[in-house]
Amino acid sequence: DAKTTQPDSMESTEGETVHLPCSHATISGNEYIYWYRQVPLQGPEYVTHGLQQNTTNSMAFLAIASDRKSSTLILTHVSLRDAAVYHCILRVAGGNTGYQNFYFGKGTSLTVIP
Amino acid sequence: DAGVTQTPRHEVAEKGQTIILKCEPVSGHNDLFWYRQTKIQGLELLSYFRSKSLMEDGGAFKDRFKAEMLNSSFSTLKIQPTEPKDSAVYLCASSHWGLQDTQYFGPGTRLLVL
Repeated sequence: DAKTTQPDSMESTEGETVHLPCSHATISGNEYIYWYRQVPLQGPEYVTHGLQQNTTNSMAFLAIASDRKSSTLILTHVSLRDAAVYHCILRVAGGNTGYQNFYFGKGTSLTVIP
Repeated sequence: DAGVTQTPRHEVAEKGQTIILKCEPVSGHNDLFWYRQTKIQGLELLSYFRSKSLMEDGGAFKDRFKAEMLNSSFSTLKIQPTEPKDSAVYLCASSHWGLQDTQYFGPGTRLLVL
């Protein structure tokens, strides 16, 4: 069962900043928020993850609400290469937790207009 | 650094044939995963290795699916005999022990069974 809710699709223009929302109202205290993206004919690509604090890396900024019930992936200066389906998923992280299945729901399909 | 590589990228098989898919994980990664991806079922775990030891063997797939990891840098997935319902994208992923949720996926092998 998906524990996250995302819009089906969003659109942006090259060079703009896009905010991809994700709702996870039933998140548990030990669950991390992960973002992956996937383009056709390729495997999923790790984007970022976080627990409580906002995080940033070369790909994106992840803003996590103070109550952790929602998060927003922020992509700045989007390019055509950022067009993909973005998946927000919850996972318990840590080496001793054993394997957990990935549930990739429909995600948000991001279209980037030149 | 080289990412996860998978060969072949495309495979067409007749029903009843044996096929072998290959995967080379990211150098230094301890965990290796085989998944099957379809639009209906999403991402399904087939096998999970930690330091070459089989940790998880997707129950529903035990029959005809066999994954092996002969050394830390090479894994195979054998499907024997193939059936049309096996048509899907087969993904291999790897990660560091302790960071198993930050998985790096290969491009996948698209299998069509006639």
